[in-house]
Amino acid sequence: DTAVSQTPKYLVTQMGNDKSIKCEQNLGHDTMYWYKQDSKKFLKIMFSYNNKELIINETVPNRFSPKSPDKAHLNLHINSLELGDSAVYFCASSKTGQGVTSGATGELFFGEGSRLTVL
Amino acid sequence: AQSVTQLGSHVSVSEGALVLLRCNYSSSVPPYLFWYVQYPNQGLQLLLKYTTGATLVKGINGFEAEFKKSETSFHLTKPSAHMSDAAEYFCAVSGGTASKLTFGTGTRLQVTL
Repeated sequence: DTAVSQTPKYLVTQMGNDKSIKCEQNLGHDTMYWYKQDSKKFLKIMFSYNNKELIINETVPNRFSPKSPDKAHLNLHINSLELGDSAVYFCASSKTGQGVTSGATGELFFGEGSRLTVL
Repeated sequence: AQSVTQLGSHVSVSEGALVLLRCNYSSSVPPYLFWYVQYPNQGLQLLLKYTTGATLVKGINGFEAEFKKSETSFHLTKPSAHMSDAAEYFCAVSGGTASKLTFGTGTRLQVTL
């Protein structure tokens, strides 16, 4: 069973189009993330949701809109795609909490990535 | 706030040689430190982590790392490189279990015969 799964794995589209990437985790985690990895492999956090509530929103164009229908799902919708949006987008999840008894370790579990190519 | 610096974007070693990937961090609170590995066209996989307790931590595939507070370092080592170790390695830091993870820029490990 795949712990964090993303679809689609590959996405090729034209500039100006709108596209979505979906993510699901079956680990029972309460926090999910979107990371962007550029061509130089640099990983940058975009968004984070905890129990469906947006908690991290980095400096990302408002063409990017995350949505979390429940704590096991986090989708990413991108409007008016630009060439610079070409990248690999990773979904991740974690169990968060304070203290040893929370069971949280700070570890992120990643999906396989969705490679977006904008032509 | 936390940050990570990985020295050397590309490291090449011979098969059987020692692997040393360097990571220095900055954190205003006691850090949680992680090493992740990314194989080509795959997601990131946790190699090992330091949260509290023993400063020498062992991970999967024979890797280990030592947390040195005085040097603000968390270097990754493996005594003997294998061809299958060729991958991108990322060091990451957070301020705890409720804090976001900040990644370094990655080090590509190449293993030659």
